[in-house]
Amino acid sequence: EPEVTQTPSHQVTQMGQEVILRCVPISNHLYFYWYRQILGQKVEFLVSFYNNEISEKSEIFDDQFSVERPDGSNFTLKIRSTKLEDSAMYFCASSGWGSTDTQYFGPGTRLTVL
Amino acid sequence: AQSVTQPDIHITVSEGASLELRCNYSYGATPYLFWYVQSPGQGLQLLLKYFSGDTLVQGIKGFEAEFKRSQSSFNLRKPSVHWSDAAEYFCAVVNSNSGYALNFGKGTSLLVTP
Repeated sequence: EPEVTQTPSHQVTQMGQEVILRCVPISNHLYFYWYRQILGQKVEFLVSFYNNEISEKSEIFDDQFSVERPDGSNFTLKIRSTKLEDSAMYFCASSGWGSTDTQYFGPGTRLTVL
Repeated sequence: AQSVTQPDIHITVSEGASLELRCNYSYGATPYLFWYVQSPGQGLQLLLKYFSGDTLVQGIKGFEAEFKRSQSSFNLRKPSVHWSDAAEYFCAVVNSNSGYALNFGKGTSLLVTP
């Protein structure tokens, strides 16, 4: 069964450093998402991406964040200058079409900012 | 924006006992509702979803959920719990104000005792 994959599974970085989290969505899917889950809190939407551009973003997704689909298979989330409060589990998801389609989630990347 | 509330943070049930996890939504029209499960170290897996039609929805792993508009609820049930069901369970609703983003509840952690 096709699945969403994410690398790395765990990333440790120093405050102020840039990190790139990578995702490979399911191959024929058209919609891509990033969510995050701070320890002990609920899963929060960051951004959705369709047709090579951001379709929606939350207030969390500020100028420090960016997303890219560089090569038609990978989907990346970049945090330009990490802060302590960026420490969280980051989930990538993809779906075949819009509102009623199932979003399939990857296993997540745990980001630890020291 | 549409939101969901999961009133129970932790639930403990004995193996073989029945299970009901609560989820309440806030939305005037018919919401798109989902239940996801997260096992340790795993991503979020869809158990079932409700868009319209039959209010009793069957999902994977023997789970079902019932949409009750009068109670604004979408509770997840299983008649006989197995030890492998121990996991974190998330209710979610599509937020029509933010594209197709999912709004998650805080989750309910299920512990299964022998």
